[in-house]
Amino acid sequence: KAGVTQTPRYLIKTRGQQVTLSCSPISGHRSVSWYQQTPGQGLQFLFEYFSETQRNKGNFPGRFSGRQFSNSRSEMNVSTLELGDSALYLCASSLGLAETKQYFGPGTRLTVT
Amino acid sequence: QQQVKQSPQSLIVQKGGISIINCAYENTAFDYFPWYQQFPGKGPALLIAIRPDVSEKKEGRFTISFNKSAKQFSLHIMDSQPGDSATYFCAASNNNAGNMLTFGGGTRLMVKP
Repeated sequence: KAGVTQTPRYLIKTRGQQVTLSCSPISGHRSVSWYQQTPGQGLQFLFEYFSETQRNKGNFPGRFSGRQFSNSRSEMNVSTLELGDSALYLCASSLGLAETKQYFGPGTRLTVT
Repeated sequence: QQQVKQSPQSLIVQKGGISIINCAYENTAFDYFPWYQQFPGKGPALLIAIRPDVSEKKEGRFTISFNKSAKQFSLHIMDSQPGDSATYFCAASNNNAGNMLTFGGGTRLMVKP
């Protein structure tokens, strides 16, 4: 079974631009969560989607948004990029809500200049 | 607010030794405690997890010890190998709140040959 895939793997954007990251969960998994990883703040929860609905949201500004499609694939969008948004963005999938076992993708490395 | 505190930040162990990483949590609603291993350039991979109804769980060389009254849990890596050199994260979640994981700050482990 293929693991969680994320595209693109690397991205360089300019401050003020917007970016869209994509995540394809493991086949059969219906829950997708997003995390931001930085050296200073560590791993922080962004949001979780299940059945195309946002179920949980972390403490991030409204510039961070996401969605999930009927095939469980998910995208996250960051608008008006700031230098501090430079991070590794990780997607994790699990079978369903409160399924506990989450499987992470390799992440998308976003650099904002 | 850091709800899961992890120590030490870095650890150097000789091959064959025991690596011990500790975590403490504040939120008594947490009911699932996983440990993740992350290699450079990769996403975190689930190592082992425990629920508060047991005090210890062992899988191969990896053991979680859990102390509910102290709100602490730890990872023991027996017979540490150079291939175990990675960053380890403890995490916690509340099943009633979906799959949202709250992570510790991470421990960079180096196992010397």
